[in-house]
Amino acid sequence: DQQVKQNSPSLSVQEGRISILNCDYTNSMFDYFLWYKKYPAEGPTFLISISSIKDKNEDGRFTVFLNKSAKHLSLHIVPSQPGDSAVYFCAASARTNAGKSTFGDGTTLTVKP
Amino acid sequence: NAGVTQTPKFRVLKTGQSMTLLCAQDMNHEYMYWYRQDPGMGLRLIHYSVGEGTTAKGEVPDGYNVSRLKKQNFLLGLESAAPSQTSVYFCASSYPRGSTYEQYFGPGTRLTVT
Repeated sequence: DQQVKQNSPSLSVQEGRISILNCDYTNSMFDYFLWYKKYPAEGPTFLISISSIKDKNEDGRFTVFLNKSAKHLSLHIVPSQPGDSAVYFCAASARTNAGKSTFGDGTTLTVKP
Repeated sequence: NAGVTQTPKFRVLKTGQSMTLLCAQDMNHEYMYWYRQDPGMGLRLIHYSVGEGTTAKGEVPDGYNVSRLKKQNFLLGLESAAPSQTSVYFCASSYPRGSTYEQYFGPGTRLTVT
């Protein structure tokens, strides 16, 4: 049973518009959530994170929202730029679990000029 | 500061051959991880280590062994490669900083087993 799900394999948006990537989780023990960005032939790089004690975290054009009751988080990118085109992975971890993260399958974002 | 490096970048093995993938980090991180990524899927944890001399199994450990003799290095071994182990392998490291567990990844090793 997949504990972290990204139900949209791909998303295409126009440059300048908002990109919204979604992620659902099932394990109530998760208390920290992260988004990673991955370009082809490179390793993932950390983008933004949120603790379960918060419902929003912002970093420049990137905002992550957490809805604990729905076990749902989303990543908003505003405005989207062509350089944002990449695979985005949602990950969840539990503080008591040696920093291990469980990853979703990723969403491929394409931002069209 | 090189971050996390992986050796080799590419490798082709025949079924039954063995090999070792090397991961090195220069950030003095305590925790290290090995993942595999198959097409259309996320990263699945193979083995991990919370410190020098310690290792533990992850989600998909069968067919792999690991060792962490030095804090900066984490080795992943395939004793008898199988076609099902064709994948891209990523190493990562992290250190507990408050409540954050962000991981720093290497560039990956693309392994093909024929």
